[in-house]
Amino acid sequence: EVQLVESGGGLVQPGGSLRLSCSASGFIFSHSAMHWVRQAPGKGLKCISRINSNGGNPESADSVKGRFTISRDNSKNTLYLQMSSLRPEDTAVYFCVRFTGKAFDIWGQGTMVTV
Amino acid sequence: EIVLTQSPATLSLSPGERATLSCRASQSVSNYLAWYQQKPGQAPRLLIYDASNRATDIPARFSGSGSGTDFTLTISSLEPEDFAVYYCQHRTNWPFTFGPGTKVDI
Repeated sequence: EVQLVESGGGLVQPGGSLRLSCSASGFIFSHSAMHWVRQAPGKGLKCISRINSNGGNPESADSVKGRFTISRDNSKNTLYLQMSSLRPEDTAVYFCVRFTGKAFDIWGQGTMVTV
Repeated sequence: EIVLTQSPATLSLSPGERATLSCRASQSVSNYLAWYQQKPGQAPRLLIYDASNRATDIPARFSGSGSGTDFTLTISSLEPEDFAVYYCQHRTNWPFTFGPGTKVDI
């Protein structure tokens, strides 16, 4: 079964840090570009970080640049998001998502981060 | 950053009716536009990519059209499970952005 499973969310104080993980299965993770997308409570979707299949060219949105770092370990089929200097406005559900080159076709169930 | 605007914000319809949702981009996104459906408490689901291509296992009642700055998602005859929020999203450049969503309710 194709799936992405996020973990690592929780309650953290402003200024604190958290590392999210996303475990992939059922597809060739090392061939897939991956993103993190977040959704604040009752709000819309926002792309915050992306990384290509071999771990190169990590990129983040301005709102998290310098505070969040995306990375991956293809030997473990796992995507990460290291979050630091967290702010109340970072409170959201964080989704791990596969990007096909055309769209986001596989989504995790999301993990909640509350700051 | 490309801004996507969706209209209407809410669309109130009955099962069996036709739904027409609009997405407008602040600059041309060519055909690099996707549509997603999200139900409460669930992750979004890909419906349409490259403006008009249905994703795997998406019913034929869902169709997309448009190019440049104006796009439309049409649901030809609403089924009870189609009542949800729909988002458009571009991939023209980084950061990819989503529209604010259209809620289709009964």
